[in-house]
Amino acid sequence: EAQVTQNPRYLITVTGKKLTVTCSQNMNHEYMSWYRQDPGLGLRQIYYSMNVEVTDKGDVPEGYKVSRKEKRNFPLILESPSPNQTSLYFCASSLLRGSGANVLTFGAGSRLTVL
Amino acid sequence: GEDVEQSLFLSVREGDSSVINCTYTDSSSTYLYWYKQEPGAGLQLLTYIFSNMDMKQDQRLTVLLNKKDKHLSLRIADTQTGDSAIYFCAESPGANSKLTFGKGITLSVRP
Repeated sequence: EAQVTQNPRYLITVTGKKLTVTCSQNMNHEYMSWYRQDPGLGLRQIYYSMNVEVTDKGDVPEGYKVSRKEKRNFPLILESPSPNQTSLYFCASSLLRGSGANVLTFGAGSRLTVL
Repeated sequence: GEDVEQSLFLSVREGDSSVINCTYTDSSSTYLYWYKQEPGAGLQLLTYIFSNMDMKQDQRLTVLLNKKDKHLSLRIADTQTGDSAIYFCAESPGANSKLTFGKGITLSVRP
């Protein structure tokens, strides 16, 4: 089944304890992206990647890192989490085409709480 | 920068039509999308429209685009309880471009 898989789905952690949220897709998509969803703020892009070893900042990159060493994986790293990073995180991917819509496939989400 | 605006909440009766509206500011928007988020799940693409189209119909869904007013709407005919979800409008200025999402509208369908 074509899908984007995120882990963990739920995590409670404490301030300053490094964590990684993994994202993997099995559709051979070039484009991958991380979003956070917060009440009243909608979806905001954190980082995105157009291909292996190519990553760029989105709208809210502060406090996050990403890497794209392989096409299928795009982990989100929080080196020193803080309570304002408590949020619902989504990974998404899409096939880049010469023309056409950027049709994103989303993972099921990872709910992170930082105490 | 780009901005996409939506109302926050809509309640309809089962069997009625729902109309969800969205406005955007980026005049270079080429593609406009509607995504649906069911409780506890990620977003799923419902449909999208290319900016040279005024209307797109897909079963119970009708998308209308007024490019002059930068207004997009999604009509759901014969709304069912399974349509209760958050609906996001999004736009992108071109192929392979970043999507800018609205804040999402919660659609509640009452029996």
